This record gives sequence, structure tokens and C-alpha cells, in this order.
Amino acid sequence: DIQLTQSPSFQSASVGDRVTITCRASQGISSYLAWYQQKPGKAPKLLIYAASTLQSGVPSRFSGSRSGTEFTLTISSLQPEDFATYYCQQVDSYPWTFGQGTKVDI
Amino acid sequence: EVLLVESGGGLVQSGRSLRLSCTASGFTFGDDAMSWFRQAPGKGLEWVGFIRSKGFGGTPEYAASVKGRFTISRDDSKSIAYLQMNSVKTADTAVYFCTRVFLDDSGGYYPFDWGQGTLVTVSS
Repeated sequence: DIQLTQSPSFQSASVGDRVTITCRASQGISSYLAWYQQKPGKAPKLLIYAASTLQSGVPSRFSGSRSGTEFTLTISSLQPEDFATYYCQQVDSYPWTFGQGTKVDI
Repeated sequence: EVLLVESGGGLVQSGRSLRLSCTASGFTFGDDAMSWFRQAPGKGLEWVGFIRSKGFGGTPEYAASVKGRFTISRDDSKSIAYLQMNSVKTADTAVYFCTRVFLDDSGGYYPFDWGQGTLVTVSS
């Protein structure tokens, strides 16, 4: 199985901060990676797919990039509604796997 | 508006069976793959399984943790996806989410519409 290692597990930040979350795959997954945002008690929301494509309706302050097997989610200017947990997921091969999550908190 | 509504969750004894349903509306259900995920209390997300659209064979894939016990099926005439859970274990306790999955131009399947989830609690 492909392992995804997310870092950090917890990120303390303030409104207006630039936040970067990293997801490293244990083997090559091309660009078959998605990023999700999840708020407590809610379903995850797709933010980015194919490593860098912004899902329709997602604010442009969110962006994704890839360098080899390392993927990055960047929030350029954190807004109050962005405090949540973020997950990366690979869809390159079965079983689909997730990173352990990054909680972005005040 | 796309809606995915899971139902069928509840309390079940270890070793018994349960069937979850995901009723879809707002899109042409038969055109899309569907997938199930779960999230144990206070834990991260886990993929359970996936079923392709009939146009791509309608075949399923499963996580190792549920293979042989869980079965995903679909009834395109009713716009419902099912998750049949047999021989459940306490480790299966989680909120179960169904998702609509799209196939992008590069051949990747991405879950992009999610239901609100249904809680399954397995007691010993």
C-alpha cells in the first residue's frame, strides 16, 4: 500500500498567515493526489485534485503543487473559515489511502 | 443541487449484518462511479470501497480491511448505492460516507460530492 506522510500534524496560525502543509508519498503516484478540508461533524470537502487543480467554487487562496513524490497545499492568507483539518489522499492505486491529517488551529 | 443521503446506520452486534444505502439526486447517477469512506470516532479518513459506473464495467474495489465481508452494489434505476456489511466487527464502528466520484482527463478518480454520513456502532 502507498503511505502518505503529512506534516505537520498540527499547525497553529493566525488570520492572514500563509500556511503550508506537506504530503509525502512512499512511492510515485504521478499527480493522482487530492486535498480535502474537514470541519468538525461535517463531511470532507474536496479542495484540490490532480495535485494542483482547484475544485470549482474553492477560493483561489488555496493552491496545490507537486515536486516528485512531495505534494504541498498552500493557503495564501488564512481566513477564519479555514480553521479545519486537512487531508491528502492518493488515487493512483488501490487501496486509496489518506495522510493522517493536519489540524489548523488558532 | 446534488444530494447524497446515507441511511441504514445504527447499533449492531458484532458478527451481524447491516446494509447502508446512499440515495442520490441532482445528477445522472448511472454516469458516475461511487465510493464509500468511513471515519472512526476521533480518527482520520479511511477508504472502504468503490464501484465503477456500468459504462466502465460496474466493478468494485475494496480495502483489505473489509474485503470478503463488505459488498458494494448499485441500482441505477433507483439512484441508490449500497454497502452491505457482513460479519461486522467493533473496529467497523465509524461514520460512513458515500461519495460521488468523477473521472478526470488524466484517468484519476476523485470523490467530490459527499453525503452527510451515517453512524454505525458495533457492539461486542
